[in-house]
Amino acid sequence: AQSVTQLDSHVSVSEGTPVLLRCNYSSSYSPSLFWYVQHPNKGLQLLLKYTSAATMVKGINGFEAEFKKSETSFHLTKPSAHMSDAAEYFCVVSDSLKRTGANNLFFGTGTRLTVIP
Amino acid sequence: EAGVVQSPRYKIIEKKQPVAFWCNPISGHNTLYWYRQNLGQGPELLIRYENEEAVDDSQLPKDRFSAERLKGVDSTLKIQPAELGDSAVYLCASSLRDGAEAFFGQGTRLTVV
Repeated sequence: AQSVTQLDSHVSVSEGTPVLLRCNYSSSYSPSLFWYVQHPNKGLQLLLKYTSAATMVKGINGFEAEFKKSETSFHLTKPSAHMSDAAEYFCVVSDSLKRTGANNLFFGTGTRLTVIP
Repeated sequence: EAGVVQSPRYKIIEKKQPVAFWCNPISGHNTLYWYRQNLGQGPELLIRYENEEAVDDSQLPKDRFSAERLKGVDSTLKIQPAELGDSAVYLCASSLRDGAEAFFGQGTRLTVV
């Protein structure tokens, strides 16, 4: 079985300070992991993805995430928050079910990031 | 290149009425997903298509929901009859292949009154 746990429903940071959004996953097989961002009244946009290459993944807008298999974590970070980063962030796991070849995307419950001026 | 296009953007209907949503995926994308996102929650998969075949519809409430993807391109999702609890944002996404990153449309916000 596969699932995603986003440990914080709401994170608040001051502009210019680091951002850390936490994500833990469980997966029966070799997972692909993604972070998506959703701004109000806009569609989901892919920030970055991990697909079994380098464990440190760089995404758009200065975001990064590190895949740690031993901790089953895929935390999202950014060195310095910008006002435009305020949004909802979703951690997503896609399992490769070798038996069926099926791949579904399973979303976490989301973390709302607030950036204080 | 055009992204995933959904219509309508907003829909308000009375309970027990039917409603349909339309999705045009990115050209060449074989995999198509329909998700439902309730307020304050993450999207939940309703159905996934590989070309014209529904390969996972285990979460689709089949008593009132139906979907089709004719010719493996556009897709429609229908609810008949709608209930108050169906109020949500319905998201369509597509990906180039199974397991690749998905690209999402802007969604259809359904309000059932």
